[in-house]
Amino acid sequence: GENVEQHPSTLSVQEGDSAVIKCTYSDSASNYFPWYKQELGKGPQLIIDIRSNVGEKKDQRIAVTLNKTAKHFSLHITETQPEDSAVYFCAASSRGSNDYKLSFGAGTTVTVRA
Amino acid sequence: DAGITQSPRHKVTETGTPVTLRCHQTENHRYMYWYRQDPGHGLRLIHYSYGVKDTDKGEVSDGYSVSRSKTEDFLLTLESATSSQTSVYFCAISTLGGEADTQYFGPGTRLTVL
Repeated sequence: GENVEQHPSTLSVQEGDSAVIKCTYSDSASNYFPWYKQELGKGPQLIIDIRSNVGEKKDQRIAVTLNKTAKHFSLHITETQPEDSAVYFCAASSRGSNDYKLSFGAGTTVTVRA
Repeated sequence: DAGITQSPRHKVTETGTPVTLRCHQTENHRYMYWYRQDPGHGLRLIHYSYGVKDTDKGEVSDGYSVSRSKTEDFLLTLESATSSQTSVYFCAISTLGGEADTQYFGPGTRLTVL
């Protein structure tokens, strides 16, 4: 099955600086890569996703890049703000006969220092 | 939150007792999922459903069973709870569009097994 590795596990940045989280995946058939943000006591919230036919996608201060050859994808947050402090998860999806399954990375705890 | 509710939100139980968690959705999505979240492991799939009475196992299904008798409800049962099942449980639904699957998560249930 799919194996997703995520680095770093913790990340501390100064407000206004950029944050980068990297993930690798093992299954070359994976074709969908979402990122989730989870605040304390809440469920994961989808913040951006990318499909295998696209190399980069941006949404305001966040962007995701995908390198299918190397089987890795990254989340970039620019101009970080205190409200960006949360746990971020990457995931990779592959399709079976009856299902769409997501395999998740272990998560990155991001702390934005004021 | 894609119209997803989970009940109960918190539960403390004793080893060996049966426990049932409920996930309810209001938007008639076909696919529903149960995950558990533990530190250092991200989210791991327990069971999923691709229709009424159609369910299958995920990567950590031992000790869990599920049922889906109607579209809107997906139940997760721990037949005899163990301390290793202390975790936060999340339900998710997927909205299928194009070639990929987007999953949205409920608010979670924190389960403590003493």
